[in-house]
Amino acid sequence: DVKVTQSSRYLVKRTGEKVFLECVQDMDHENMFWYRQDPGLGLRLIYFSYDVKMKEKGDIPEGYSVSREKKERFSLILESASTNQTSMYLCASSIQGALGNTIYFGEGSWLTVV
Amino acid sequence: AQSVAQPEDQVNVAEGNPLTVKCTYSVSGNPYLFWYVQYPNRGLQFLLKYITGDNLVKGSYGFEAEFNKSQTSFHLKKPSALVSDSALYFCAVRDIQNDMRFGAGTRLTVKP
Repeated sequence: DVKVTQSSRYLVKRTGEKVFLECVQDMDHENMFWYRQDPGLGLRLIYFSYDVKMKEKGDIPEGYSVSREKKERFSLILESASTNQTSMYLCASSIQGALGNTIYFGEGSWLTVV
Repeated sequence: AQSVAQPEDQVNVAEGNPLTVKCTYSVSGNPYLFWYVQYPNRGLQFLLKYITGDNLVKGSYGFEAEFNKSQTSFHLKKPSALVSDSALYFCAVRDIQNDMRFGAGTRLTVKP
């Protein structure tokens, strides 16, 4: 089975802090994604990466950056956390190539910024 | 750009009754359609997908979905609902640009 692991499930951070959300997948997938989930808005894509050191902006990249130094690891960085970034963050991965390839999700990271 | 609509925020059904969770989509070209389920405080779990072929797709946990090209719909169905099916359900569509777009989600509640 595909496993996407988000190391931090619940975090509480202060406004202005730098926050790192880590994600690791064990299936040698080329594509990795970070989504944000908010009630009534569904999932919104923040950033995705289709290869090591490659990144593409999604729909809501402002206030976020990402890092992909190794194929299995994709990190989301909040340079200066703000209260409007309080949300559930979901990491996902998939094989590259066919559009019918399934995207697999991690368990999510609940971030509260106070 | 592709988009997905889930017209119902909430669906309530009695245990044992059939359930339907609705999804309509808009995409240029051929659609690649997915259903995911999310249990409380968990990530999204893949249920089923339509790529091509038979319009009725069978997936995990007894769920199935019917692709209707003329109505641009991909409704999720189950013949007999269980209380344990209560969860948040997301429809998603992927198009040639390889982005996956999700609906806002439908909360299914199955009452005993």
